[in-house]
Amino acid sequence: AQSVTQLGSHVSVSEGALVLLRCNYSSSVPPYLFWYVQYPNQGLQLLLKYTSAATLVKGINGFEAEFKKSETSFHLTKPSAHMSDAAEYFCAVSANYGGSQGNLIFGKGTKLSVKP
Amino acid sequence: NAGVTQTPKFRVLKTGQSMTLLCAQDMNHEYMYWYRQDPGMGLRLIHYSVGEGTTAKGEVPDGYNVSRLKKQNFLLGLESAAPSQTSVYFCASSRQGRNEKLFFGSGTQLSVL
Repeated sequence: AQSVTQLGSHVSVSEGALVLLRCNYSSSVPPYLFWYVQYPNQGLQLLLKYTSAATLVKGINGFEAEFKKSETSFHLTKPSAHMSDAAEYFCAVSANYGGSQGNLIFGKGTKLSVKP
Repeated sequence: NAGVTQTPKFRVLKTGQSMTLLCAQDMNHEYMYWYRQDPGMGLRLIHYSVGEGTTAKGEVPDGYNVSRLKKQNFLLGLESAAPSQTSVYFCASSRQGRNEKLFFGSGTQLSVL
């Protein structure tokens, strides 16, 4: 079975500071990993996804995430936070059964606040 | 391009009432999903469909039914609403497999009194 844990339900950073949102996963088979973002009163949007092609994945809006199998982690980073990055971020995992795929399991989310 | 459209956006029900939430996508996607979002719980999959005429249970299917009679529409029904079903409901679709990008609707805020 797959599961995902997001460390920290709330993270606050200053504008221009590094953003680091943590995600650890559990999977008995090679995983697909995703980060989605939800702005207030909107649905989720895909930031980036890992599907085994490369361990460092670049996404939209300057975000990137690194897959570390030894640490079962897929942390999301951005070098310099903007006010517009304030949103809720969800890490998600699904199983890669070598051609077919299990359902997407979402973490509980991390709300990012950006202070001026 | 509308993407994924959910109706209604808001609804208040009394316990025991029934209702149907409609999800429509105009991207010719095969896969469609219904999630519920509760504070501190993330998104949990209710039901999903891998093609027209198919449905399957997700993580939290009890109290809900779904139908996918047309490829572009995915309906979520509550036969007898309960306060525990107060939530924000999101529909999503993807082109083929679940490793592909999910496109989400803007959500339905449902309150059951």
